[in-house]
Amino acid sequence: NAGVTQTPKFRVLKTGQSMTLLCAQDMNHEYMYWYRQDPGMGLRLIHYSVGEGTTAKGEVPDGYNVSRLKKQNFLLGLESAAPSQTSVYFCASSYSLPGSSGNTIYFGEGSWLTVV
Amino acid sequence: AQTVTQSQPEMSVQEAETVTLSCTYDTSESDYYLFWYKQPPSRQMILVIRQEAYKQQNATENRFSVNFQKAAKSFSLKISDSQLGDAAMYFCAYATAYGGATNKLIFGTGTLLAVQP
Repeated sequence: NAGVTQTPKFRVLKTGQSMTLLCAQDMNHEYMYWYRQDPGMGLRLIHYSVGEGTTAKGEVPDGYNVSRLKKQNFLLGLESAAPSQTSVYFCASSYSLPGSSGNTIYFGEGSWLTVV
Repeated sequence: AQTVTQSQPEMSVQEAETVTLSCTYDTSESDYYLFWYKQPPSRQMILVIRQEAYKQQNATENRFSVNFQKAAKSFSLKISDSQLGDAAMYFCAYATAYGGATNKLIFGTGTLLAVQP
């Protein structure tokens, strides 16, 4: 997906390790989101941001932290990884409200994280 | 809090036939947006169709149409003349119409659609 880049795409962590997922967009978008996708659970919102310097909790925020120091970047951190955090993580961004006329939500290609 | 429910984990349809995927949602808001997203095996998220709650007319996009029942909080997706390329996971999603810190996009658990040749 043009415009939203997730780094890294694949990672294996040991329990207790920390790591940061980077989401970068070059479209000057205000809104950015982090989701996790698990079988039978759909996409669940972890944290989101409605602008530079702002963050808010989603449905499943526990065990994660985020930062939006620069408008183009939205970082998702795992301070002490647990096997329950094994998942596919998706970042998304949009210029304005998700449903706004003419607005498009762009998704990254996903980051596969395995915690052993 | 808003919730989105998809009660059909899997569906199957014959090529060229019509299939309907179900979605219900719960919200206390009067204005909001609803979406259907397609996720093929590549994991890419593709917007199929969107509906604005204040519009009574059901949205259509080529072979894809919705049946939006606001009072019943139901938002089903109909795929006509199904094609092999329609095989994918389909997600129903909800977004508030209000800005600010409450703004977010909520997804259902998905329906895996298989298309039989």
